[in-house]
Amino acid sequence: QVKLVESGGGVVQPGRSLRLSCTGSGFDFIYYGMHWVRQSPGKGLEWVAAISRDGSERYYADSVKGRFNISRDTPEKTVYLQMNSLRADDTAMYYCAKESRGLRPPGQLDFFYYWGQGTLVNVSS
Amino acid sequence: DIQLTQSPSSLSASVGDRVTITCRASQDIRYYLAWYQQKPGSAPKVLIYDAYTLQSGVPSRFSGSGSGTDFTLTISSLQPEDVATYFCQYYHSGPCSFGPGTKLEV
Repeated sequence: QVKLVESGGGVVQPGRSLRLSCTGSGFDFIYYGMHWVRQSPGKGLEWVAAISRDGSERYYADSVKGRFNISRDTPEKTVYLQMNSLRADDTAMYYCAKESRGLRPPGQLDFFYYWGQGTLVNVSS
Repeated sequence: DIQLTQSPSSLSASVGDRVTITCRASQDIRYYLAWYQQKPGSAPKVLIYDAYTLQSGVPSRFSGSGSGTDFTLTISSLQPEDVATYFCQYYHSGPCSFGPGTKLEV
């Protein structure tokens, strides 16, 4: 069955960096775009970043553009979120999500059926 | 970028009621809208995609409609297990976006 497992969260000081990982299993990783979505405590969902199935297209929310970088290692079936210059308002549960329909045409993204369990990032001094 | 608004932000209804939640996009998004249900402590669960397609396994009391900028999620007969927060999502091209959510109480 499909499984997404995030790791790398923790407590970090403002201005520092953190790298999140999400490893997938149970599906052909190469066929699917992958996303990161976050949720601050008691708040709504915020889409953060996406990467196409071949890694050639990357998209970011304005709130993280220039600070966060999404990448993927297809042989390792892992997607990463490198988070730099972290701020207090980056504190959130970070979810990895897999696009539902594979082999999307260039420039097209998709909704999510499978999500990870989330990894908590706390930016605090 | 596409912004999504939802109304109401919260609502209280009774078991058996018909409930409607609306989502409005800042520009024409055709039918590229999904609806999610999220319960506390859990990841979101997709209910509807492509504006009106019911995700397999989701009860038929859930339905979606709309296109362009105005969309609706309807629960035809509210059940106690429907207590949750509901989010709409635009997903067709980057950047994606979520609506702010509607908290539903029974």
